[in-house]
Amino acid sequence: DAGVTQSPTHLIKTRGQQVTLRCSPKSGHDTVSWYQQALGQGPQFIFQYYEEEERQRGNFPDRFSGHQFPNYSSELNVNALLLGDSALYLCASSLDAAETQYFGPGTRLLVL
Amino acid sequence: SQQGEEDPQALSIQEGENATMNCSYKTSINNLQWYRQNSGRGLVHLILIRSNEREKHSGRLRVTLDTSKKSSSLLITASRAADTASYFCATDANDYKLSFGAGTTVTVRA
Repeated sequence: DAGVTQSPTHLIKTRGQQVTLRCSPKSGHDTVSWYQQALGQGPQFIFQYYEEEERQRGNFPDRFSGHQFPNYSSELNVNALLLGDSALYLCASSLDAAETQYFGPGTRLLVL
Repeated sequence: SQQGEEDPQALSIQEGENATMNCSYKTSINNLQWYRQNSGRGLVHLILIRSNEREKHSGRLRVTLDTSKKSSSLLITASRAADTASYFCATDANDYKLSFGAGTTVTVRA
């Protein structure tokens, strides 16, 4: 049973560029959440997708957007990258409003 | 901003000793969860305690919750080198998101 998978594992971009990160949820899960974790900090909630709609959003600017596909996989897009967007981006999946979220290994983004 | 605050920020113990870390939070919660993170990679769910529970055990882990003080503690007994990691508390206020603290880094010395 595959867990949550994310791609790519590492990414280097320059300021102003755009990036797309991908996530496949754990088998049987229909809800995907995205978190940003800066170095030395705890994860910060970006948004959650359920039934292809953004259900909840954290305190992140509109440069951060997402999408969920009919197979429940998800993408996180970040436009006009800033140096401060450098972080580990974590995807988590769950079954609807289940309490426990299962995290993927993350994508480490470096913005130069 | 972080919902929870872990204390201490870092902890170094000898193998076989117990490790205790604390978490304080600010708002009412549905449940509180503890996660482990190795070397800046994905988070592993350890244990969940609901707001109407006071104590929970799982293997070598013991979690307590005091909703009147808005605090929780995680005890790891008989620590092993493999317990070296960062530990995060996360609160669920029944709003579809987890709010994490900044974490406690635990180093277990052989």
